[in-house]
Order: sequence, then C-alpha cells, then structure tokens
Amino acid sequence: GENVEQHPSTLSVQEGDSAVIKCTYSDSASNYFPWYKQELGKRPQLIIDIRSNVGEKKDQRIAVTLNKTAKHFSLHITETQPEDSAVYFCAAKRSGNTGKLIFGQGTTLQVKP
Amino acid sequence: DSGVTQTPKHLITATGQRVTLRCSPRSGDLSVYWYQQSLDQGLQFLIQYYNGEERAKGNILERFSAQQFPDLHSELNLSSLELGDSALYFCASSTLGGAGDEQYFGPGTRLTVT
Repeated sequence: GENVEQHPSTLSVQEGDSAVIKCTYSDSASNYFPWYKQELGKRPQLIIDIRSNVGEKKDQRIAVTLNKTAKHFSLHITETQPEDSAVYFCAAKRSGNTGKLIFGQGTTLQVKP
Repeated sequence: DSGVTQTPKHLITATGQRVTLRCSPRSGDLSVYWYQQSLDQGLQFLIQYYNGEERAKGNILERFSAQQFPDLHSELNLSSLELGDSALYFCASSTLGGAGDEQYFGPGTRLTVT
C-alpha cells in the first residue's frame, strides 16, 4: 500500500547547525514530493518540492534530494535559525490525475539559540 | 495567507451531532482536498474534488461526506460525531488536481467533540 516513513520524529539542533530529515516512500509510482512546514496551530505551508525527473533542488538555505532507486528523499536545512523551529512533513504523490498526498508522520525541529 | 479560506475556525459540539465545514479555494483553483489532522494520526487525506466531481477518496468514514458546488466552494459534512473525530480539518486547493500540482492549505477548522 501507500506509505511514507519519516525520521527522525524529533530533532534538536543548535542555531547555525544543519538539520536533515529523511523520508522513504513505498509506492514506486510516486513522482512528486513536497515538503511542508507547520507552525503550532497553523496551516501546513509548502516550502519546497521536487519532481521525480530531478535529483536535487535548492532554495536558499533549503535543499531536497531524491533517490528514486532507493525510494528515498531528504530535506536539508543549513544555517538553521530559531524561526525554523516547527513541524516538518514530507509527502508523496503518485503520477496520474489525482492529487492525493500521502504524508509522513512529521518531524518536530527545535533550533536552540 | 494562502488564499484558501475555511469556516468556522473553531467548532465545539457534542457526540452524535452533525456539523458542516466550509472551504473556499484560491481564485482559479478547480480542485479541493480535505485532510484530517489528529495528534496520533498526522495528516490524513480524506477526499478530493475536481470541478464538482469526486476525483479521489482516502480513508474517509461513511459518516463523513463532502461535495463541491458549482462556484467551486466545498463542504465537508460530519455526522454521528464521536470523540475520536476531534481534530483539525484542513482544506487545500490546487489549480488542476493532478500529479505535480502544488496544494495550498487553508487555516483549518478545529473540531472538538465533547
């Protein structure tokens, strides 16, 4: 079935350090992988996404890598800041005309000043 | 602000009752999605509509139903409510609704069943 595993569930880093969150998906037909940031009590916000024809994508301090063979993708945040503290969700969507997103369980990132 | 609106923001009701959650998509978006977020289940896909038609269904309970109207707004109806239905319900919208289509989330409706 469709499943996305996300690790770690919690991550604490010092300000300025890097943070890495990893996800593994089960559906080999998945071809779109967004990452969402959710602050407490607020809506999930899309921060970066990657499509299966690309291996890496970068946007300022955020980067995502995709390994289709291993069905694995990761979020990398460099030079972390306290405002990066939030819950991060990875998700996967299979090819086709539906938009069903399968989410990972979430990672609570704490950046200590 | 994503441009997706949801009402009400908060809803408190008793077990056995029925509620309706409303969502208006971003201007120009044809597809609407409903997600449930509870503490122990994370974000769960419920259902997707595209231009008024159901396009995909997730683990949506039979007590729940949804529809998308000609003006593209959507409603999620929850009936015979149970304590376990307490959760944040998010609506999202996207332009077309297919693979690779970015989804933008609304602010959510927090439902508390007592």
